[in-house]
Amino acid sequence: QVQLVQSGTEVRKPGASVRLSCKASGYTITTYPIHWVRQAPGQSPEWMGRINAGTTNTKYLPKFQGRVTISREASTNTAYMDLTGLQSEDTAVYFCARGYIMNSGAFAYWGQGTLLIVSS
Amino acid sequence: DIVMTQTPFSSPVTLGQPASISCRSSQSLVDSDGDTSLSWLQQRPGQPPRLLMYKVSKRFSGVPDRFSGSGAGTDFTLKISRVEAEDVGVYFCMQATQFPITFGQGTRLEIK
Repeated sequence: QVQLVQSGTEVRKPGASVRLSCKASGYTITTYPIHWVRQAPGQSPEWMGRINAGTTNTKYLPKFQGRVTISREASTNTAYMDLTGLQSEDTAVYFCARGYIMNSGAFAYWGQGTLLIVSS
Repeated sequence: DIVMTQTPFSSPVTLGQPASISCRSSQSLVDSDGDTSLSWLQQRPGQPPRLLMYKVSKRFSGVPDRFSGSGAGTDFTLKISRVEAEDVGVYFCMQATQFPITFGQGTRLEIK
């Protein structure tokens, strides 16, 4: 069965960078796009970006352009999300997610989430 | 960006009674192929969102048939025919017709 397992809680100071990981099992990570979604405390989810299937084409929410990089490593079936220039407003739970089937337009599979705390 | 607006903000419901949540998009969610990528998700505290419905009215695997989705264009509804205690949580609509993908602000379902 499809599973996405994310890395653990991260704590960073303002201005620092972080790399979050999302290890897939039950399928090959290059066959479906992987999306990253974040959710600040008490807020609704916010889509950040995705890496395409097949090619490594990426698309990002404009507000994160220049600060976020989504990548993947086929050999370990793992996706990554790098976020730089961290500020307190980046404190949130970060999820990776995958669609149900190609072009389903819905996220059926979610990682358990990684809590990122940005604090001086 | 497409703005998704949900009503109500909070919905207190009696067990066994129906519940309904509305979601309105700022633009039509019908794409050039005639598809509508509107989905509904449920989130319980401390959990990732869980997919309930996709393509407006298709129920995801394992979702009880008391959940149903309907709508077209810009107006969509999630209905629960008879609310059970396990349905407590926050419900979000999400559109993936157009980038960026956007979510509604959420509707909290609680038991009276």
